Amino acid sequence: GQNIDQPTEMTATEGAIVQINCTYQTSGFNGLFWYQQHAGEAPTFLSYNVLDGLEEKGRFSSFLSRSKGYSYLLLKELQMKDSASYLCAVSNYGQNFVFGPGTRLSVLP
Amino acid sequence: GAGVSQSPRYKVAKRGQDVALRCDPISGHVSLFWYQQALGQGPEFLTYFQNEAQLDKSGLPSDRFFAERPEGSVSTLKIQRTQQEDSAVYLCASSLAGTSLDTQYFGPGTRLTVL
Repeated sequence: GQNIDQPTEMTATEGAIVQINCTYQTSGFNGLFWYQQHAGEAPTFLSYNVLDGLEEKGRFSSFLSRSKGYSYLLLKELQMKDSASYLCAVSNYGQNFVFGPGTRLSVLP
Repeated sequence: GAGVSQSPRYKVAKRGQDVALRCDPISGHVSLFWYQQALGQGPEFLTYFQNEAQLDKSGLPSDRFFAERPEGSVSTLKIQRTQQEDSAVYLCASSLAGTSLDTQYFGPGTRLTVL
């Protein structure tokens, strides 16, 4: 089977740094993706990891440890517009994505 | 160019009615995916096309759900004899090629409410 876990909700302050964790147990792991979804909108792509290590894209970074089945998304210099749900998705050899339940992030002034 | 578009954006159906949801992928994208997203949950995979071929329909919850992509572009998800548990947002996504590492680009979704 496949199982992906994320914290349900997180709260952080504007300007701070927040780390959103994702753990997974899947068969045929091929890569891990992070998406951002504002309420009522489509998920939008943030980053993906295939190999272990850190990928940095501006204020967003994503880390992967395949041996531990673990990833995190790091958001720096938080802005109010970062309030959204963050979805972790695992790509397996079957081509489809398996999404986690999402983490709802609230950024407070 | 334009992103993925879906229509209608909102659909209200009475229990037992049939509905058809349309997805226009990004032009030239080979792969097309359908997902179902319940409120407060992540998207759940329904089915996947590569061009006109439906390669995986393992996520379709029952034989009331049917998807097609006859010319390898526009896709339609049809739900027959809708039930209240079918109420959800139905998301369509497309990707350029047919590899499992291609980024999927999502449409805005169709919010289906079954009364």
